[in-house]
Amino acid sequence: DVQMTQSPSALSASVGDRVTITCRASQSIDSELAWYQQKPGKAPKLLIYKASNLGSGVPSRFSGSGSGTEFTLTISSLQPDDFATYYCQQYRTYKMFAQGTKVDIK
Amino acid sequence: EVHLVESGGGLVQPGGSLRLSCAASGFTFSSHWMSWVRQAPGKGLEWVANIKEDGTDKYFADSVTGRFTISRDNAKNSLYLQMDNLRAEDTAMYYCARDCTGGCFDNWGQGTLVTVSS
Repeated sequence: DVQMTQSPSALSASVGDRVTITCRASQSIDSELAWYQQKPGKAPKLLIYKASNLGSGVPSRFSGSGSGTEFTLTISSLQPDDFATYYCQQYRTYKMFAQGTKVDIK
Repeated sequence: EVHLVESGGGLVQPGGSLRLSCAASGFTFSSHWMSWVRQAPGKGLEWVANIKEDGTDKYFADSVTGRFTISRDNAKNSLYLQMDNLRAEDTAMYYCARDCTGGCFDNWGQGTLVTVSS
């Protein structure tokens, strides 16, 4: 099975900060990776698919990059609405989520 | 607009059964793979199962294989999850999700809570 690891598990940031979250796969998953945002008590929302493609209606301050085993989600300028938990998910072999990164206010 | 509404959650004893439903609208249901994804309280996301557009192919996470069954009724635009021999570790919010091409999830329901406890 492909194992997914996200880092950091949590971070504190301020509005306007550039934020980067890393996701690593235990073996190559090509570009079969998605990123989701989840707020407390809500369902996840798709941000990025195929490693770097922006989901429908997702602000352009979100971007994704990487291929193979290492991927990043970048928020170019953190907004108040962006404080949430972020998950990466591989879909190269079945479907597996990483453990998530909680982004809170510094 | 895509709309997914889950129902059927509740409290059940260990070893019991429950059937979840997901009503879909706003898109051509019969043209999409569909999935169930769950989230235990305070924990991360776990894909549970998915089913092909016509119901002929189904896949399950190892943690539920042999206990859960996924099905769909395209005439009713509905997805189902039959959960048998439930365990305490199955306690979670269960989400219905539409599969993207390739295998991500581009639309999610609001979830239905399943609690397995005596």
